[in-house]
Amino acid sequence: NAGVTQTPKFRVLKTGQSMTLLCAQDMNHEYMYWYRQDPGMGLRLIHYSVGEGTTAKGEVPDGYNVSRLKKQNFLLGLESAAPSQTSVYFCASRKGLHYEQYFGPGTRLTVT
Amino acid sequence: GIQVEQSPPDLILQEGANSTLRCNFSDSVNNLQWFHQNPWGQLINLFYIPSGTKQNGRLSATTVATERYSLLYISSSQTTDSGVYFCAVASTYSGGGADGLTFGKGTHLIIQP
Repeated sequence: NAGVTQTPKFRVLKTGQSMTLLCAQDMNHEYMYWYRQDPGMGLRLIHYSVGEGTTAKGEVPDGYNVSRLKKQNFLLGLESAAPSQTSVYFCASRKGLHYEQYFGPGTRLTVT
Repeated sequence: GIQVEQSPPDLILQEGANSTLRCNFSDSVNNLQWFHQNPWGQLINLFYIPSGTKQNGRLSATTVATERYSLLYISSSQTTDSGVYFCAVASTYSGGGADGLTFGKGTHLIIQP
């Protein structure tokens, strides 16, 4: 099993550009999550999904959209990137409510 | 929302020393995890421990849910233990526990040779 994978690993955007981050898991997990981590901080939840076709907002959803068209994939979109979205983005998944979350390796995004 | 406080924020130890990291949380939880973020940024699962005690090699953890705290013990520290240790919880009363984890700010541990 590859576990949770993220694409790309690094990206530099200019203000106003758009991009999509891809998260894939091969563990048949129901729940998937997108977090961001800023310097010196813990992770904060952006959006999450409790199953294929569902999405919900987390703590810091503004400026992001998500889609879960397939159970194994969770996409995070930035429609018009801003410097405040410079961060490391982590995807996670878990089997169900009383199971642990597993994290991907992260995507380092810089917006200039 | 639920609050998570970790202490100490920074810890510098010599190789071979033991340490105790603490996590306090403000509400009932149905999920508590400890992670190690290594110097390359990777988040490594250490324990899933909403209650009780677990041990894995030199590491062990205890969560006393009724008193709203968890402890992570590291014995005989090695330089490879360096990094940031995060406690993360999910409140029992928030989204039924489905809505992700709330992270503390972490304990930055440096093990010197």
